[in-house]
Amino acid sequence: EPEVTQTPSHQVTQMGQEVILRCVPISNHLYFYWYRQILGQKVEFLVSFYNNEISEKSEIFDDQFSVERPDGSNFTLKIRSTKLEDSAMYFCASTRPRVETQYFGPGTRLLVL
Amino acid sequence: KNEVEQSPQNLTAQEGEFITINCSYSVGISALHWLQQHPGGGIVSLFMLSSGKKKHGRLIATINIQEKHSSLHITASHPRDSAVYICAPNPKAAGNKLTFGGGTRVLVKP
Repeated sequence: EPEVTQTPSHQVTQMGQEVILRCVPISNHLYFYWYRQILGQKVEFLVSFYNNEISEKSEIFDDQFSVERPDGSNFTLKIRSTKLEDSAMYFCASTRPRVETQYFGPGTRLLVL
Repeated sequence: KNEVEQSPQNLTAQEGEFITINCSYSVGISALHWLQQHPGGGIVSLFMLSSGKKKHGRLIATINIQEKHSSLHITASHPRDSAVYICAPNPKAAGNKLTFGGGTRVLVKP
């Protein structure tokens, strides 16, 4: 069964460094999402992406964040200058039609020191 | 803003018991997702529903759009059902922007 993959599974970085989290959505899916979950807290929506542009974003998704689909398969989340509070699990998800079951990747655990 | 409340927050059951998890939300939605989060953190989508009832194996999800309420039932629970179950409504006004409940931590003892 096709699945969403994410790399790396874990990343440790120093505060102020840039990180890029990578996702490979399911190949015929058209809508892509990033979520995050701070330890012990709810999952939070960050951004959705369709047709090579952001379709929705949350208040969390400020200028420090950006997303890109650099080729036909990868979908990336960049955090330009990481802060301690960016430490969280980041999940990518994809769907084919707009409102449909979302398929989640296994997550990237980011730790900012 | 969509407020999502799940109850109970924690639930312990004996193997074989019937389990019900409830979710209430405050705004009109286009659909509601039930997700399962494993102890390692991975999230699996169980159901997406916009009306009525869906069944998959021992899992049943129901939704009452007028009451703004959904339930997830696990019949004949098993220790492998131990996980956090998360309700995630998709508000009509919010496009694809899911909102998430705080989750219900389920422990099924053998």
